[in-house]
Amino acid sequence: DIQMTQSPSSLSASVGDRVTITCRASQGIRIDLAWYQQKPGKAPERLIYAASSLQSGVPSRFSGSGFGTEFTLTISSLQPEDVATYYCLQHNTYPWTFGLGTKVEIK
Amino acid sequence: QAQLQGSGPGLVKPSETLSLTCSVSGVSFSDYYWNWIRQSPGKGLEWIGHIYSSGRAYYIPSLESRLTMSIDTSKNQFSLRLTSVTAADTAVYYCGRLDVWDKGTTVIVSA
Repeated sequence: DIQMTQSPSSLSASVGDRVTITCRASQGIRIDLAWYQQKPGKAPERLIYAASSLQSGVPSRFSGSGFGTEFTLTISSLQPEDVATYYCLQHNTYPWTFGLGTKVEIK
Repeated sequence: QAQLQGSGPGLVKPSETLSLTCSVSGVSFSDYYWNWIRQSPGKGLEWIGHIYSSGRAYYIPSLESRLTMSIDTSKNQFSLRLTSVTAADTAVYYCGRLDVWDKGTTVIVSA
C-alpha cells in the first residue's frame, strides 16, 4: 500500500497567517492527489484535485502543489472558518489511501 | 447539482450483515467510480472501495473477504454489504464520487 505521511498532525495559527500542510507519498503518484477539508460532524469536502486544481466554489486562498511524492496544501491567509481537519488522498494506486489528517486551529 | 443520500440501519448486531444504499440524483450516474469511505469514532478517513457503473469493483484488502458492492444503474443507486461485522466496523459511512459525498450514515455495531 502507498503510505501518505501528512504533517504536521496539528497546527495553531493566527488569523491572516499563511499555513502549509505537507503530504509525502511512499512512492510516486504523479498528480493523482486530492485535498479535503472536514469540519466536525460534517462530510469531507474536496478543495483541490489533480494536486493543484482548485475545486469550483472553493476560496482562492486555498492552493495545492506538488508532483510525484511530495505535495503541499497552502492557505494563504487563514480565516476562522478554515478551522477543520485536512486530509490528502492518493488515488493513483490501489488501495487508495488517505493521510492521517492535519487539525488546524486558530491561535 | 449532485445529491447523494445514504441509507441503512443505524444499529447492527455483531456477526450480522451491514447493508447500506446510496441514492444519486442530479448528476450522471454512468462512467464514474462510486466510492465508500468510513470514519471510525475519533479517527481519520478510510477509503474502503468503489464500484464502476459497469459493475466492476475494488475492495480494500482488509475487508475483501467480507465486503460486496453492487450497483443498479436503473435506479441510480449503489450499495455496500459487509458481513460478520464487529465493533471495529462502527463508523460513519460516506458514499459518493471523489468530488461530492453524502452527509454520512452512522453505523453502530452493538448487541
